[in-house]
Formats: sequence, C-alpha cells, structure tokens
Amino acid sequence: AQSVTQPDIHITVSEGASLELRCNYSYGATPYLFWYVQSPGQGLQLLLKYFSGDTLVQGIKGFEAEFKRSQSSFNLRKPSVHWSDAAEYFCAVLRYGGSQGNLIFGKGTKLSVKP
Amino acid sequence: DAGVIQSPRHEVTEMGQEVTLRCKPISGHDYLFWYRQTMMRGLELLIYFNNNVPIDDSGMPEDRFSAKMPNASFSTLKIQPSEPRDSAVYFCASSSSGTQAYEQYFGPGTRLTVT
Repeated sequence: AQSVTQPDIHITVSEGASLELRCNYSYGATPYLFWYVQSPGQGLQLLLKYFSGDTLVQGIKGFEAEFKRSQSSFNLRKPSVHWSDAAEYFCAVLRYGGSQGNLIFGKGTKLSVKP
Repeated sequence: DAGVIQSPRHEVTEMGQEVTLRCKPISGHDYLFWYRQTMMRGLELLIYFNNNVPIDDSGMPEDRFSAKMPNASFSTLKIQPSEPRDSAVYFCASSSSGTQAYEQYFGPGTRLTVT
C-alpha cells in the first residue's frame, strides 16, 4: 500500500541554522508530492509541490525540496531558519490513480526553533 | 479572497448530541474535502466532493457521520450522535481543477470536544 513516512517526529534547530526535513514515500510510479506547513491553531498551507520535471522545486517562505527517485525521498530544506518557521510540516503524496482528493499525508514533523 | 471559512472554530458538546460543522470553500473551487486530525491517527480524509457530488466517502468512520454539499459555496459535516472518540480537529479544504489543480487550500479547522 502507498504510504508516506516522516521519520522525525520533532526537530529543534537554532535560528539561522539550516534545516532538512525528511520524507520517504512508497509508490510504484512517478508520484505527485507536496509539502504543507501547519502553524499552531491554523490550517495547512501548501509550501511546494512536485509533479514532474526539475527535481529541485522552490516554494514559498524560502523553502525548497528535492525529489530523489532512487531514494524514494522528497526532503524539504531551508538554508537559514527563522523563528517564525516553528510549526508542523507535513509531506503528502497523491494516491495512485487518484483524483484530486486522494492525498496521503505523513504523520508530520514538528519544528522548534531556538533563539 | 477570504480563503476557506469554517464555523464554528470551537465546539464543545456532550456525548449523544448532534454536531454540525460548516464550511464555505473558496469561490470558484470545484473540489471540497473534509479531513479529521488527531494525535493518534494524524490527518485523515473523510470525504470529498466534486461539483457538489460526493466522490469518495470511504474515509467516513461510520454511519454516525454524514456530509452534504447543497451548493457550490456551502458544505456541512454532521455527527449524530456524537461520541468522545470523535473529539478531533476537523478541517475543510478546497481546490480547483484548473491551473492550480491538486493544490488544496485548508480552512482554520473546527476543534471538536465531545464530553
């Protein structure tokens, strides 16, 4: 069955440090992949998406992600973290053969930022 | 645009009572989704609509849950009777089948507590 795994439940980084959040998926074909961010008490906001083409995709708020088919990964990165980036981050994949509705979400990674 | 609007933001009710959650999608979006988020199970898709028609309700936990979309600008999720295990945050999201297909926009959620 298709799945999305975010191995890190909670990560703490210092402000100004670089960030990488891991996401692994299981999928037979080329997946449609997404990263969402959820600030406390808020809904999810789309950061970026990958459908095809260039495997390095840029998103909002200075985030980027790289699709690596050989590793079944779609890791999220940011070169310099700001305190406002503290939130929970979710990776998602479009279910195989699915239409718009069939997103499978990972369990999320909570990011804390130290001053 | 005001984004996806959900009401109420918080709901506290007693076991056995009927609960109705409401959602107004972004104007022009033809897909609407209902999700439930809990610590244990993460983010789960309950049901989604396309052009007001339910497409997949396989995520609806049981017959106590029902959802309707009487028109393009309004949807409800009803739980009758409610149980303590229904306590969760319920999100509504919408998306378009146009140029931004597959990008789901989430509302702020309704935090439901059933005592």
